[in-house]
Amino acid sequence: AQSVTQLDSQVPVFEEAPVELRCNYSSSVSVYLFWYVQYPNQGLQLLLKYLSGSTLVKGINGFEAEFNKSQTSFHLRKPSVHISDTAEYFCAVKMNTGFQKLVFGTGTRLLVSP
Amino acid sequence: NAGVTQTPKFRVLKTGQSMTLLCAQDMNHEYMYWYRQDPGMGLRLIHYSVGEGTTAKGEVPDGYNVSRLKKQNFLLGLESAAPSQTSVYFCASSSGGTSGLYEQYFGPGTRLTVT
Repeated sequence: AQSVTQLDSQVPVFEEAPVELRCNYSSSVSVYLFWYVQYPNQGLQLLLKYLSGSTLVKGINGFEAEFNKSQTSFHLRKPSVHISDTAEYFCAVKMNTGFQKLVFGTGTRLLVSP
Repeated sequence: NAGVTQTPKFRVLKTGQSMTLLCAQDMNHEYMYWYRQDPGMGLRLIHYSVGEGTTAKGEVPDGYNVSRLKKQNFLLGLESAAPSQTSVYFCASSSGGTSGLYEQYFGPGTRLTVT
């Protein structure tokens, strides 16, 4: 079975600073990887996804993530954050065969302050 | 195009009461899902449906029932609410086929408190 680990429950950062949110997964088979963002009192919205091909994936709002198969990681990065990036970020994984459910990490709350 | 909508947005129940949460999507999606979100636990799948008339158990199905009588609607029922079911409930949908398995669209959530 797959599992997802987001070690950082909260990441405080100043506006315009770079940020990296960590995600590690475990799976015995190839997977698809996703990052979702949840703004306060809203549902989840897809930021980006890795299905195949280039290991560097670009998403919305200037975010990008890099798939590292050897380290089983899919860390999310942004070179310069804004106050509006304050939200909770979830990493998710699913097997790449058939209908398999998404497995979510526990989430990382990004707090951007001026 | 409203996407995924959920009703109600908030609800307070007493222990033992029942209620139904309604999820509707207007994207003609085949697959629908119910999740619960609890602090520090991420999202956990309660039940899901791969098409009209079908339902299946997810990770935490106990105490919940679901029905998918129409393709666009997915209902989540609590027959006898317990305080442990206090949570935020999210509905999601995704299209069928291989391309549709890659993105789930989420509703705004229902905040349920059981006292």
